[in-house]
Amino acid sequence: AQRVTQPEKLLSVFKGAPVELKCNYSYSGSPELFWYVQYSRQRLQLLLRHISRESIKGFTADLNKGETSFHLKKPFAQEEDSAMYYCALTQYNFNKFYFGSGTKLNVKP
Amino acid sequence: NAGVMQNPRHLVRRRGQEARLRCSPMKGHSHVYWYRQLPEEGLKFMVYLQKENIIDESGMPKERFSAEFPKEGPSILRIQQVVRGDSAAYFCASSPPPPGVAFFGQGTRLTVV
Repeated sequence: AQRVTQPEKLLSVFKGAPVELKCNYSYSGSPELFWYVQYSRQRLQLLLRHISRESIKGFTADLNKGETSFHLKKPFAQEEDSAMYYCALTQYNFNKFYFGSGTKLNVKP
Repeated sequence: NAGVMQNPRHLVRRRGQEARLRCSPMKGHSHVYWYRQLPEEGLKFMVYLQKENIIDESGMPKERFSAEFPKEGPSILRIQQVVRGDSAAYFCASSPPPPGVAFFGQGTRLTVV
């Protein structure tokens, strides 16, 4: 069965500290993986996807097929990064997205 | 492009009433997904529709829930005879053809009293 696990419900870091939001998945085929972000009072929006290999707002995520992980990282957190972050997985035909339960990132000044 | 529009944003229903949630996809998008988010939980897939077709409804409860995406007009998620356990945030997302990255609406928060 497909599953996305985000083990941390809440992650608090100080401004300027590195941050890593964990995501592990189980999937029998070749998944496509995404990170979505939801800022306060805003809609869920795409942050990045693994196939594009981009860095968005300083965030990167590497797909590790051996460890079945897709952790989101940023070397220096900013206060404006405070938000809910969701890891998501879909299959090749985008029939459905499977979401993790989300991690709330709180960046303290 | 106004983005995915959901209405109402908040909906209060008494037990036994019907709830209708609307979703207008982004212009040019012909694929719609509905998700439910219970408190303290992640988004759970409910149904995937294309215009006039239900492609995957494996996440829909077998009773009381239905969804449609007519040729004209918004997609509708309908919940009949609502119960307290239906209280949740319901999110709609749309994507262009061929299906790809999903763009989300702001959600409808349903409260059953």
